[in-house]
Amino acid sequence: DAKTTQPTSMDCAEGRAANLPCNHSTISGNEYVYWYRQIHSQGPQYIIHGLKNNETNEMASLIITEDRKSSTLILPHATLRDTAVYYCIVTVFPGLRGNKLVFGAGTILRVKS
Amino acid sequence: DAGVIQSPRHEVTEMGQEVTLRCKPISGHNSLFWYRQTMMRGLELLIYFNNNVPIDDSGMPEDRFSAKMPNASFSTLKIQPSEPRDSAVYFCASSLSGTDYEKLFFGSGTQLSVL
Repeated sequence: DAKTTQPTSMDCAEGRAANLPCNHSTISGNEYVYWYRQIHSQGPQYIIHGLKNNETNEMASLIITEDRKSSTLILPHATLRDTAVYYCIVTVFPGLRGNKLVFGAGTILRVKS
Repeated sequence: DAGVIQSPRHEVTEMGQEVTLRCKPISGHNSLFWYRQTMMRGLELLIYFNNNVPIDDSGMPEDRFSAKMPNASFSTLKIQPSEPRDSAVYFCASSLSGTDYEKLFFGSGTQLSVL
């Protein structure tokens, strides 16, 4: 699986958009970008994933560059409850036998009032 | 849906004792994953099953660790004998594989302390 690079930490003001970058310059054509987050003392939570098109759901938006070498997770209106570690993961298309996700260090997002 | 259920939430044991962690995946899910999290090493995948069959156990640290999935609704992770370095939070996760929308659902974890 391709390796990802994320900033160690970021701060964001409450109510503002949080933009979390991820670099995956060695991504291959059949690899998806997944984002998960982990709020303190809880298990990781799925946020969103995409292949090459931008994606949006009720939690966030995912913007993938045209060359697919980087992506940005956008939380449009961050709240204090969004304070968490955010993981960007690149992995091959999930197959019938399941697909393991390898978590890196992630980005610590601190939302401040 | 109750989500992924893990038990116990907390386990304190002494070095050398056997420890068994339990997991009930979400009904209908066909893949199950065991992860371990420590401050030093982050989240590590230990093993995962698909349709009750172990697919990849390359993350299992050593022979002291074993995992089973006797049926689709239950899995165990056993450590025997336990050592202080096994202290960590152990997470179980499940997913429905074979779909474009595969995503992992994690349990609340088991905090293991080996004294």
